[in-house]
Amino acid sequence: DSGVTQTPKHLITATGQRVTLRCSPRSGDLSVYWYQQSLDQGLQFLIQYYNGEERAKGNILERFSAQQFPDLHSELNLSSLELGDSALYFCASSVESGVDTQYFGPGTRLTVL
Amino acid sequence: GENVEQHPSTLSVQEGDSAVIKCTYSDSASNYFPWYKQELGKGPQLIIDIRSNVGEKKDQRIAVTLNKTAKHFSLHITETQPEDSAVYFCAASKGSNYQLIWGAGTKLIIKP
Repeated sequence: DSGVTQTPKHLITATGQRVTLRCSPRSGDLSVYWYQQSLDQGLQFLIQYYNGEERAKGNILERFSAQQFPDLHSELNLSSLELGDSALYFCASSVESGVDTQYFGPGTRLTVL
Repeated sequence: GENVEQHPSTLSVQEGDSAVIKCTYSDSASNYFPWYKQELGKGPQLIIDIRSNVGEKKDQRIAVTLNKTAKHFSLHITETQPEDSAVYFCAASKGSNYQLIWGAGTKLIIKP
């Protein structure tokens, strides 16, 4: 158990809908990262938040947005969903920076029908 | 920007043999190189990392070597066991203010 929690574990929805994925980082970790992993694909970095502020952006679509709240939990919002958005979405947390160990949550499997 | 290439994409070895996965990076300023293991149905987990002031690091059956001149680093697993079957990711970073750049992953299959 990494100490990072993600909810829900599974999500099934229809095209055009909007969903919210939630992540609680390890106690004491200030950075949260979101990744997308499609079937048999690598990890695509989406976005990083540090202590409530956006720190870095990767290949995140404009239909996707995220935020980190004062209690440091984070939410990833996916809107106008398309079939191609079906994937595993991982949240990871670290103490501070990119060279600190990233602890990954169990992931949320999103299926768009 | 930084680019990390990882080879092979799939590696099948006999149980008990050694496995080697290699990554090359493009930015000579990169100085931190972690390796993560992702078991089926789980998130990746750090298994070993190395910084650019060190050429090799070992932890029991796993080791990582770094060649800064050639800009490549490798993961070595000796005496492979069934539980080593997983996807392995390498990554590189230039430091604390920079992102990890990830390799595409290697699926390691241990044949009994």
